[in-house]
Amino acid sequence: QSALTQPRSVSGSPGQPVTISCTGTSSDVGGYKYVSWYQQHPGKVPKLIIYDVNKRPSGVPDRFSGSKSANTASLTISGLQAEDEADYYCCSFTNAATYVFGTGTQVTVL
Amino acid sequence: QVQLVQSETEVKKPGASVKLSCEASAYSFTDYYVHWVRQAPGEGLEWMGCINHHSGHSGYSRKFQGRVAVTRDTSTKTAYLELSGLISDDTAFYFCASEPLVEGDWGKHFDTWGQVTLLTVSS
Repeated sequence: QSALTQPRSVSGSPGQPVTISCTGTSSDVGGYKYVSWYQQHPGKVPKLIIYDVNKRPSGVPDRFSGSKSANTASLTISGLQAEDEADYYCCSFTNAATYVFGTGTQVTVL
Repeated sequence: QVQLVQSETEVKKPGASVKLSCEASAYSFTDYYVHWVRQAPGEGLEWMGCINHHSGHSGYSRKFQGRVAVTRDTSTKTAYLELSGLISDDTAFYFCASEPLVEGDWGKHFDTWGQVTLLTVSS
């Protein structure tokens, strides 16, 4: 199972929106609603920020949102803040009853 | 608050085996999945396998099949990851993470993470 494809990095100024794509196949992203997103600050444990494509756990700011179209899922940060500077990973359930993570995207706040 | 407490840093030689642990302290329920995810230094996250604490049902990434075993001890609410035939590329941070039940079905995401175990494989 190959890793899902994410852009290596994205950047934006505070208050600007940024979107991270996550491209897989019909065997993973395209086949299920089970896409989740994780935020990881340097040296820290990953944190769940989106599950089931577009649901936010309690406590996650509503500037984080998720969507999916065909084999590509997306995470949007609607108004970038300094504390959003981190690495972001998508993850999908697969038709082999396994999970596959994305390659990871580094978000930089300019 | 539910927590996953992982074992300490391990240093192993190539060819050896290692068994990492993950205790689900303060878990009041008995049915949950524990997943193992690793991250090589400076690299991305990689899913390795999982186990259902209640039934013992397990699943593995094809990449690690034959070299990894995920087990659990229900009396101590501890899950284990055993990796054999260690190579230098197994040097990584290893996380355990739990999968919640959402409206009676498995959530297929990871909401609670352990604090990480560093495994170094070096001669």
